[in-house]
Amino acid sequence: EVQLLESGGGLLQPGGSLRLSCAASGFTFSSYAMTWVRQAPGKGLEWVSSISDSARNTYYADSVKGRFTISRDNSKNTLYLQMNSLRAEDTALYYCSLDTGAFDTWGQGTMVTVSS
Amino acid sequence: QAGLTQPPSVSKGLRQTATLTCTGNSNNVGDQGAAWLQQHQGHPPKLLSYRNNNRPSGISERLSASRSGNTASLTITGLQPEDEADYYCSAWDSSLSVWVFGGGTKLTVL
Repeated sequence: EVQLLESGGGLLQPGGSLRLSCAASGFTFSSYAMTWVRQAPGKGLEWVSSISDSARNTYYADSVKGRFTISRDNSKNTLYLQMNSLRAEDTALYYCSLDTGAFDTWGQGTMVTVSS
Repeated sequence: QAGLTQPPSVSKGLRQTATLTCTGNSNNVGDQGAAWLQQHQGHPPKLLSYRNNNRPSGISERLSASRSGNTASLTITGLQPEDEADYYCSAWDSSLSVWVFGGGTKLTVL
């Protein structure tokens, strides 16, 4: 069974940093692109960043470009999102998703709250 | 990065048919097609269809997707109470190299 488990969320002040993790199991992690999608409270889905299977290619939404960095460790079956210079508008539930050309499987999400 | 356009809400009666729409442009919906996701309150999204009308295993045959030009559609027949949810479309924009989402449609089954 394909499973994705996000972790690393929390409450922090504007300007702070946080690293999210997504542990994957049940599929050959190194063969698939992966994506982070976020959802602010009461709002819709917003694509954040994607990374190719080999990590050669990374993509970012304009809203996080220059502040967030996506990476992966295929030996650990884990996806990461390093978030720097956090803003109040980054407050959201962050999901990781298996990207098979569509968002095939989702984790339960990890909540990030940025507030002073 | 402009998103895809979805109507905010659609209401239909039990056992009726609902058609949800999603409009993009020639670089996203019109090029790569759209995927549809369903999200119930408090749960992560669930993939319903991809590349216009490919259904993952386990997805009801009451759901079908299609595309005409830059507009994708999701049709749900024989509406059931469990179909009440938020529905999102998504597509890869080949010009911008970004994923784009629609704002979501809240489907109410009366």
